Amino acid sequence: DAGVIQSPRHEVTEMGQEVTLRCKPISGHNSLFWYRQTMMRGLELLIYFNNNVPIDDSGMPEDRFSAKMPNASFSTLKIQPSEPRDSAVYFCASSFQTVNTEAFFGQGTRLTVV
Amino acid sequence: AQKITQTQPGMFVQEKEAVTLDCTYDTSDPSYGLFWYKQPSSGEMIFLIYQGSYDQQNATEGRYSLNFQKARKSANLVISASQLGDSAMYFCAMFSPGNSGYSTLTFGKGTMLLVSP
Repeated sequence: DAGVIQSPRHEVTEMGQEVTLRCKPISGHNSLFWYRQTMMRGLELLIYFNNNVPIDDSGMPEDRFSAKMPNASFSTLKIQPSEPRDSAVYFCASSFQTVNTEAFFGQGTRLTVV
Repeated sequence: AQKITQTQPGMFVQEKEAVTLDCTYDTSDPSYGLFWYKQPSSGEMIFLIYQGSYDQQNATEGRYSLNFQKARKSANLVISASQLGDSAMYFCAMFSPGNSGYSTLTFGKGTMLLVSP
């Protein structure tokens, strides 16, 4: 397996534009997590899915953020409209729904909003 | 609520020495998993070691060992014989079911480890 695949690796966009981040989890994993990493806040859990269903989106900062998982092999995180304070590294991770197996992370998407 | 606390923002160690990175956790769930990840300057998150809440023995993986003290709710990472390549950010994390009944992975703020020659 190629691991968790995120795209794009880097994104630079202007304030007010829509941004869509993509994630392909590891085949067979039934949990998917979106994290945001900044120097100030560290790793924040934004939302997680189990069997394609959003379980907890309490970490999503504002209504400008939305996430979907239309099937077991694909998820998106959308920011509309984007703002400079959204600049961060966004990670997607997947795992089996159990406490005793590790989550595998994608390479991350570095988002810069100017 | 699940919480992970890493009290050391930064640690310095000389090459070939051992170093302990602290981690305490809080959960009311009897079943949980504790993990350590390494994030080098390149940015990827690398899984290092796992400890289950019911495991009787401390986990070990090569030069990494986890000092698990359940009563104290601590899960410190011990790196023996430090190498220059160990310089990175280290995150402690916990999988626990929480209120939803679905396991979510909670991270600490991280500890930056610098290994000097």
